[in-house]
Amino acid sequence: QQPVQSPQAVILREGEDAVINCSSSKALYSVHWYRQKHGEAPVFLMILLKGGEQKGHDKISASFNEKKQQSSLYLTASQLSYSGTYFCGTESDDYKLSFGAGTTVTVRA
Amino acid sequence: NAGVTQTPKFQVLKTGQSMTLQCAQDMNHNSMYWYRQDPGMGLRLIYYSASEGTTDKGEVPNGYNVSRLNKREFSLRLESAAPSQTSVYFCASILFGSSYEQYFGPGTRLTVT
Repeated sequence: QQPVQSPQAVILREGEDAVINCSSSKALYSVHWYRQKHGEAPVFLMILLKGGEQKGHDKISASFNEKKQQSSLYLTASQLSYSGTYFCGTESDDYKLSFGAGTTVTVRA
Repeated sequence: NAGVTQTPKFQVLKTGQSMTLQCAQDMNHNSMYWYRQDPGMGLRLIYYSASEGTTDKGEVPNGYNVSRLNKREFSLRLESAAPSQTSVYFCASILFGSSYEQYFGPGTRLTVT
């Protein structure tokens, strides 16, 4: 079953922060985050493992609450290059990933 | 995208025709995946291969077959194409472990008329 992402879209000005949420109805082993620019392939950002700590990638970080089966992606001091669609992927069975519908982030100057 | 290649990049088929999408990776990853992405939607898993010699169904396997030819190559076959299979198809390879890696291929845009 696919995870649910919120919000569907967010518009930011450069320097502003945003949070994207991902929740699943199944117990999760790991959560993966990706960014996809229009017309391009998704790019893997980070993985959060069950029992692991919060991860970071430049000014993009994420957390994973195993008990609530939720993950959040934090965009801090957003830059124009952060624009794109962000997907979470959840792994509940070995090696099998399910993706959310995506959150479109638009960063304006 | 480092190390994952897909062919062809574009394809137009007529209903009922068959074709094979090719994917290859040169990073020695064990696991490979096929996804489809419809406009404005997330990725849906078609089939995956956790390791050489194994394949398993994902969320939307109907109308597709796969072959893990060797560790490098994972192909996706449409036996009798239908308009509902019009989509962008992405192949991905993953290295699970302490040094986790994951890369997607550039995609194949398939139109079935």
